[in-house]
Amino acid sequence: EAGVVQSPRYKIIEKKQPVAFWCNPISGHNTLYWYLQNLGQGPELLIRYENEEAVDDSQLPKDRFSAERLKGVDSTLKIQPAELGDSAVYLCASSLPGGEQFFGPGTRLTVL
Amino acid sequence: QKEVEQNSGPLSVPEGAIASLNCTYSDRVSQSFFWYRQYSGKSPELIMSIYSNGDKEDGRFTAQLNKASQYVSLLIRDSQPSDSATYLCAVTGGYQKVTFGTGTKLQVIP
Repeated sequence: EAGVVQSPRYKIIEKKQPVAFWCNPISGHNTLYWYLQNLGQGPELLIRYENEEAVDDSQLPKDRFSAERLKGVDSTLKIQPAELGDSAVYLCASSLPGGEQFFGPGTRLTVL
Repeated sequence: QKEVEQNSGPLSVPEGAIASLNCTYSDRVSQSFFWYRQYSGKSPELIMSIYSNGDKEDGRFTAQLNKASQYVSLLIRDSQPSDSATYLCAVTGGYQKVTFGTGTKLQVIP
């Protein structure tokens, strides 16, 4: 069974540029999470989806971050415009409702 | 007070010893508890989940949960150098909100 797929794996952009990350969860997993992880820190939740509904986006900086999961399967996280402080690893995870989360390989973003 | 607290370490143990990793949480309605292992430059990997008070064993790993004390721990028996990683505690609280600790770095010395 395929795991969580993320792309790209690495992205380098200049500040003020837009960037997008894509995630395809494990088949059958209705719950999808986007996390941000800084070096030496644990993952911090940005947004959680149950199917196509964003049920927890309280930590998503909505002035520059947006996310969508239109058909309740794959999801896109966007940052526009990117700032230097957005440099981090962006992790996508999926699970059955309330269950164990499985993480994708992450996207390492560097903003110059 | 952080919602999920872990000692950042590093915790150094000799090869073959028992490593004990601890985690406390603040949300009393928390129901699900998870331990993840994260190697440097990699994404977190699930090791154990525990939902009820007591011990749960899986190979060399034992998770212990005490809801009254709001405490969950992970024991690694016969520690190996390959166990050297950061161990993340995750707790599911109210509204199915999942919160991760900052992780404890474990170093197993050969």
